[in-house]
Amino acid sequence: NAGVTQTPKFQVLKTGQSMTLQCAQDMNHEYMSWYRQDPGMGLRLIHYSVGAGITDQGEVPNGYNVSRSTTEDFPLRLLSAAPSQTSVYFCASSYRDRVFEQFFGPGTRLTVL
Amino acid sequence: QQPVQSPQAVILREGEDAVINCSSSKALYSVHWYRQKHGEAPVFLMILLKGGEQKGHEKISASFNEKKQQSSLYLTASQLSYSGTYFCGTGGSNYKLTFGKGTLLTVNP
Repeated sequence: NAGVTQTPKFQVLKTGQSMTLQCAQDMNHEYMSWYRQDPGMGLRLIHYSVGAGITDQGEVPNGYNVSRSTTEDFPLRLLSAAPSQTSVYFCASSYRDRVFEQFFGPGTRLTVL
Repeated sequence: QQPVQSPQAVILREGEDAVINCSSSKALYSVHWYRQKHGEAPVFLMILLKGGEQKGHEKISASFNEKKQQSSLYLTASQLSYSGTYFCGTGGSNYKLTFGKGTLLTVNP
C-alpha cells in the first residue's frame, strides 16, 4: 500500500495564479482532510470530507476549494494564490470512526511570490 | 480553540526524562498525541479518553485528567530517535481535529 500520496512535493507560484494540490489514499478511508502548517502555528485544518460528495470547512478555509468525487482522491484548489498561502500543506486520511488516528501524506511545500 | 502546549521547546541528553503538557480551556473528552520528525509528516502516537486513562507507546506514556482539562506526555530514558515536534490535539467527534502549536524536543548524545 502506498498510503497517502501528495503531489507535487514543491511548488512556486506567483501571486494570483491558481493551482491544485493532489492527494490520494489507497486505504479505503472515508475521512480525508487538508492541513496547513506554518512555523510556530501547529497544524490548522483547512477542509475535510467524511465521504465522496461530502465536504466541509475547517478552521482556515478562505482561499481554498475542495471536492471529493471518489473515496480515493481529495484535491485542494488554490483559486488565486497570495503570499499568505505560503506554507506546507498536508493531506491526511482515516476511518470515519477513528478521526483521531489520521495518516498523513508527505506534504507539499508551497511558496507564493 | 487551540490547546496550549508547554514547554515550547526542550533539550535533553540521551537517557534523560521529559514531560510535555497540553491544556485546554474547553471541556476535554479525549486527547491525542502525534510526533513529527524534522522534514517528515506527523505520525499518530496515542489517544487518551476520559477517565484518567494512561497509555504507553515504547517508553512514551501519557495521562489525561479531564477534570483539570489537561494531558501530559512522559518520555522516559529518552533516545535520539525521540527527537521531533510533539503535538497534542483535541476534538474528532465533530470531525474537526484541533492541534496545539507543538513542543520541539531535541535529544542530544
